[in-house]
Amino acid sequence: RKEVEQDPGPFNVPEGATVAFNCTYSNSASQSFFWYRQDCRKEPKLLMSVYSSGNEDGRFTAQLNRASQYISLLIRDSKLSDSATYLCVVNFGGYNKLIFGAGTRLAVHP
Amino acid sequence: DGGITQSPKYLFRKEGQNVTLSCEQNLNHDAMYWYRQDPGQGLRLIYYSQIVNDFQKGDIAEGYSVSREKKESFPLTVTSAQKNPTAFYLCASQGDYGYTFGSGTRLTVV
Repeated sequence: RKEVEQDPGPFNVPEGATVAFNCTYSNSASQSFFWYRQDCRKEPKLLMSVYSSGNEDGRFTAQLNRASQYISLLIRDSKLSDSATYLCVVNFGGYNKLIFGAGTRLAVHP
Repeated sequence: DGGITQSPKYLFRKEGQNVTLSCEQNLNHDAMYWYRQDPGQGLRLIYYSQIVNDFQKGDIAEGYSVSREKKESFPLTVTSAQKNPTAFYLCASQGDYGYTFGSGTRLTVV
């Protein structure tokens, strides 16, 4: 079983749609969680951290469920510019424990 | 502006040749990392350094070497022992708000 698993997609949605991505992780001792966005042939960029209480940043909402060991990202009112790959990232603790999922690809169409 | 600079953006290597990828940061971060990304896969950790003059192997260190003589610089050498070096290489540093990535070097064996 992979340490961090994501549905690879692609998710093809029309503009204005709401889309949700899930990510599961295997290590219950994981300490911190992030969503990164990666555009084609570019570097990943931090989208948002994920906190136990859940957090929202504009159209983006992240949730953490420690009991079930998954995190989610909800995007409301999708824009064409949201098209990218979304990486789930889990820190198991320490400098060498940042584990990346393979990413979920989102394609928003007119 | 503070950030991480990777060079070159594209690099072509002949069989049996060593090549060095540059990574420079002016963020005053102690911890730096090298990742490799292959199509459809998550980022995999090659080497990391927590402090100057210290570095540790990641999950896929074979065929690679690094140095950390200065806080700002963390070059990666891809040696001839790395049998499948064609990939996208990303350098990152760790600050208070997560990881910052350079724009990457795309290495191709010709």
